[in-house]
Amino acid sequence: NAGVMQNPRHLVRRRGQEARLRCSPMKGHSHVYWYRQLPEEGLKFMVYLQKENIIDESGMPKERFSAEFPKEGPSILRIQQVVRGDSAAYFCASSHSPTDSPFTGELFFGEGSRLTVL
Amino acid sequence: AQSVTQPDIHITVSEGASLELRCNYSYGATPYLFWYVQSPGQGLQLLLKYFSGDTLVQGIKGFEAEFKRSQSSFNLRKPSVHWSDAAEYFCAVTGTASKLTFGTGTRLQVTL
Repeated sequence: NAGVMQNPRHLVRRRGQEARLRCSPMKGHSHVYWYRQLPEEGLKFMVYLQKENIIDESGMPKERFSAEFPKEGPSILRIQQVVRGDSAAYFCASSHSPTDSPFTGELFFGEGSRLTVL
Repeated sequence: AQSVTQPDIHITVSEGASLELRCNYSYGATPYLFWYVQSPGQGLQLLLKYFSGDTLVQGIKGFEAEFKRSQSSFNLRKPSVHWSDAAEYFCAVTGTASKLTFGTGTRLQVTL
């Protein structure tokens, strides 16, 4: 499967625990995006990363949330001390670099990681 | 700031009937516009996209959309809906940096 791979697909945590969500982009893609989908809502942008660099984290909550995309390995979205309001589906997407030619602006999405906080 | 409005939260159509899902956007320059479909428990699949050129774009599964700059709209259409089209549909807009802004979605129900 050459698509965007996310794991785990489902994650249950108790309040105060940590959640780590992983995303492997499509082969050849150097840019990763994380979106959050709350029940009955659309997707909200969280963060945009390229290898070893955060490009835009304007959608990330200021506390408890962090993201990285190391030189080797998947991108990781980390949520510390989870609360019930963090329960949501977290989607990862990947793309070519916007400076690649031709730039298509198209994002390819994974199937999501569904976090439930008890 | 860019934004997308999908005024219809929920639409029900009969199988075989035509479909139009509305999308209005706000963006300062020429936008890139997208329609994605999401089946329950799944990720998003791209139906079609508009970047430039012909304002009527064709997508997968028999869908099409028309970009109307004067109305800031990018409505999705299908001439004859199939039961398998039941899903949630999201319109999205972006500028040049691939940071998509999504609408809140329209849930399509198809009756047999």
